[in-house]
Amino acid sequence: QSALTQPRSVSGSPGQSVAISCTGTSADVGHYNYVSWYQQHPDKAPKVMIYDVTQRPSGVPDRFSGSKSGNTASLTISGLQAEDEADYYCCSFAGTSYIFGTGTKVTVL
Amino acid sequence: QAQLVESGGGVVQTGRSLRLSCAASGFTFSRYTMHWVRQAPGKGLEWVAAISFEGSLKYHVDSVKGRFTISRDNSKDTLFLQMNSLRSEDTAVYYCVRVLESDYGFQYWGQGTLVTVSS
Repeated sequence: QSALTQPRSVSGSPGQSVAISCTGTSADVGHYNYVSWYQQHPDKAPKVMIYDVTQRPSGVPDRFSGSKSGNTASLTISGLQAEDEADYYCCSFAGTSYIFGTGTKVTVL
Repeated sequence: QAQLVESGGGVVQTGRSLRLSCAASGFTFSRYTMHWVRQAPGKGLEWVAAISFEGSLKYHVDSVKGRFTISRDNSKDTLFLQMNSLRSEDTAVYYCVRVLESDYGFQYWGQGTLVTVSS
């Protein structure tokens, strides 16, 4: 299975909103409501930001939101802050495996 | 608070074997599905393997099938990854991961252990 497709980079000024897309297929993103998103700062382990497409774990700011339409999921960061600068990965359940996205670097200008 | 500590990484020659371990604490290990996820240097995340809470169900990514085996010892709260016939493309940081309560996402991650496969 190929990695899910994400834009290589997105950027925004503090306070702005940015959206990251994650495109898969009808066998993964389009079939299951089990898309999750992970934030990774340099040399750190990933941190879950969204799970089950739209759910936020305890402690994750409500500036982070998730959605899905067809074979594409999206992560939106509203009110961008300096600490949001990181790599972001989507991940989808695919039956008997999981597939991660290619990763997106978010830059806060 | 859940804690996962990996060990067993290092430098190994192509074709040799290595066994990774992950010691779990702070939660009831035997209740949760566990995974291994890896990240090659400067690259993205790749799911490697999963094992059900009681160990009866195991899944591996195609690229490691027949070479890697995930296992667990619930009496010792420990997860393992046996890696045989190692290739250069297996070079990565390997993370031990516990699922969310909802099961379909990765909540707790270890600090990772680096495996370098060199000829």
